[in-house]
Amino acid sequence: DTGVSQNPRHKITKRGQNVTFRCDPISEHNRLYWYRQTLGQGPEFLTYFQNEAQLEKSRLLSDRFSAERPKGSFSTLEIQRTEQGDSAMYLCASSSRQGNTDTQYFGPGTRLTVL
Amino acid sequence: QKEVEQDPGPLSVPEGAIVSLNCTYSNSAFQYFMWYRQYSRKGPELLMYTYSSGNKEDGRFTAQVDKSSKYISLFIRDSQPSDSATYLCAMSGEGSGNTPLVFGKGTRLSVIA
Repeated sequence: DTGVSQNPRHKITKRGQNVTFRCDPISEHNRLYWYRQTLGQGPEFLTYFQNEAQLEKSRLLSDRFSAERPKGSFSTLEIQRTEQGDSAMYLCASSSRQGNTDTQYFGPGTRLTVL
Repeated sequence: QKEVEQDPGPLSVPEGAIVSLNCTYSNSAFQYFMWYRQYSRKGPELLMYTYSSGNKEDGRFTAQVDKSSKYISLFIRDSQPSDSATYLCAMSGEGSGNTPLVFGKGTRLSVIA
């Protein structure tokens, strides 16, 4: 499978615990995005990497959230001291600019439940 | 007012019907317009990608963009039960196309056999 992969697919944790998610983009894609989606809403942008550089962060990304993309390959998203409001689907997308297009392809998501 | 408005539905149609899905937006900087399909508990899947105004057709799907009205549409012809999903419009701005996507809430569609 050459699509975007995400692990784990589901994560249940207790409030206050730390969690880490992983995203493996499509191999030739240099851009990687993290989004968060809550029930009944569209995905909302969290942060974006071009290669290993984190170029943009949303104001939704509080100090408890950190993302990395070492060596410009896979990326991790860590949430520290989880809160019930962090319960959501965390989506990763990757893209590669071709001309004027920059089509983002999404992974299956990691569903986080904070008890 | 949100940047992208999309009626969440639900929309229920009989098999074979023509489906019209719409979004309006307020940011005139948006130039790239996309439609994604999302099945329950899955990631969004890209259906259509359009740059600027005009129409684009792909099989049973037609995407329309009217930048003067800040209005985009997705038409599905000969709808099938397998088209039952949530349809998300998304858009981004600037000529470089590397800005994050801004999504609508999604419209939940059910096609009844």
